[in-house]
Amino acid sequence: KDQVFQPSTVASSEGAVVEIFCNHSVSNAYNFFWYLHFPGCAPRLLVKGSKPSQQGRYNMTYERFSSSLLILQVREADAAVYYCACLISSGSARQLTFGSGTQLTVLP
Amino acid sequence: DVKVTQSSRYLVKRTGEKVFLECVQDMDHENMFWYRQDPGLGLRLIYFSYDVKMKEKGDIPEGYSVSREKKERFSLILESASTNQTSMYLCASSTSSSTDTQYFGPGTRLTVL
Repeated sequence: KDQVFQPSTVASSEGAVVEIFCNHSVSNAYNFFWYLHFPGCAPRLLVKGSKPSQQGRYNMTYERFSSSLLILQVREADAAVYYCACLISSGSARQLTFGSGTQLTVLP
Repeated sequence: DVKVTQSSRYLVKRTGEKVFLECVQDMDHENMFWYRQDPGLGLRLIYFSYDVKMKEKGDIPEGYSVSREKKERFSLILESASTNQTSMYLCASSTSSSTDTQYFGPGTRLTVL
């Protein structure tokens, strides 16, 4: 079964650069997506693509089977669950396969 | 801004009840999705639809069905709710472009007693 793998937890000190790593075993995947999810809120797309990209404090690295999300100058308010996902094509539809999520803890 | 709304934020039902979870999007998106979110398991796809009256099974369709009678609305149905269906349910929608960004609703926390 195609799967996406990411660590369950990552901890960092405030002000540091945090890296969350993701890799997949999806043979026909061609894009990575990184979502942020605060409890009780809708998951929100941070950054996406099939090449390295940046959106504000969020950088995404890209390799064929892996990606990292880097959060610059991390803050306590960044503590949340971060999901990595890959886009796969299945017949006439495309769908995202998500990892299990990484809980980011930020220490003051 | 894209808006995806879900009919309830919290729902409590009893075992054996029929449960309807409703999702509406206002951006004329072709694709709609239902996920469930469980600790340690992430987001798992239950069903998706890429057009009105069309549906496709996701990774965990057992115990669920869906209905898409109108483009903007996608319903998830639990024919006979069971305790192992207690979960957070998230709806999402997307266009059929190559970017395929999915926009999510805030979720419905379903508890089955």
